[in-house]
Amino acid sequence: DVVMTQSPLALSVTLGQPASISCRSSQSVVWSDGTSYLSWFHQRPGQSPRRLIYQASKRDSGVPDRFSGSGSDTDFTLKISRVEAEDVGVYYCMQGSYWPPITFGQGTRLEIK
Amino acid sequence: EVQLVESGGGLVEPGQSLTLSCTTSGFTFGDYVVNWIRQVPGKGLQWVAFAAHKPSHGTIAYDASVKGRFIVSRDESKSSAYLQMTSLTTDDTGVYYCTRGDSSNKVDSWGQGTLVTVSS
Repeated sequence: DVVMTQSPLALSVTLGQPASISCRSSQSVVWSDGTSYLSWFHQRPGQSPRRLIYQASKRDSGVPDRFSGSGSDTDFTLKISRVEAEDVGVYYCMQGSYWPPITFGQGTRLEIK
Repeated sequence: EVQLVESGGGLVEPGQSLTLSCTTSGFTFGDYVVNWIRQVPGKGLQWVAFAAHKPSHGTIAYDASVKGRFIVSRDESKSSAYLQMTSLTTDDTGVYYCTRGDSSNKVDSWGQGTLVTVSS
């Protein structure tokens, strides 16, 4: 199984400041077509997760452009350029390249300082 | 608007069975795969089962922890998916989410989840 490891597990950020979350996979998640099927999800308290980023760097429709994804192979990053109050919650990375099983990172909790 | 609505959760005793339903609307069900994903309250996300659409030849897959106990299915005529769960244990407790995705990216939209509690 591909193990996804996120860091940090918790993040406290001042409003308007940037934030960065790392996701590392235990093996490359680049599929034979050259694409990394790596997604990022955000789960607000009491809500279902929402996808923000897919294929490592493609932003979903309606996702603010302050969110960006990057990386390939085994190292991926989600960046928030300027944290807003609505960004609190837990962020998860997920790989769907080599499955089953589809695997998730442990989650990174973001709070406002 | 894309909607996935889970139902069928509840409190059951260890060893019992439960069937979850996922009713969808707002998109062409047959164009998407379905994944069931669960979350122990306050904990992370765990993939449970996958049911492909016809273009993917109806492929089915399960996490090792539920294989042989859970059965995933889809009814294209009702735009719905199901998760039959048997021989439930306390480790199966959690919120079960129905999700849809394309065959490559697997998961995009999520339902609101249904809580399954296995306890004596």
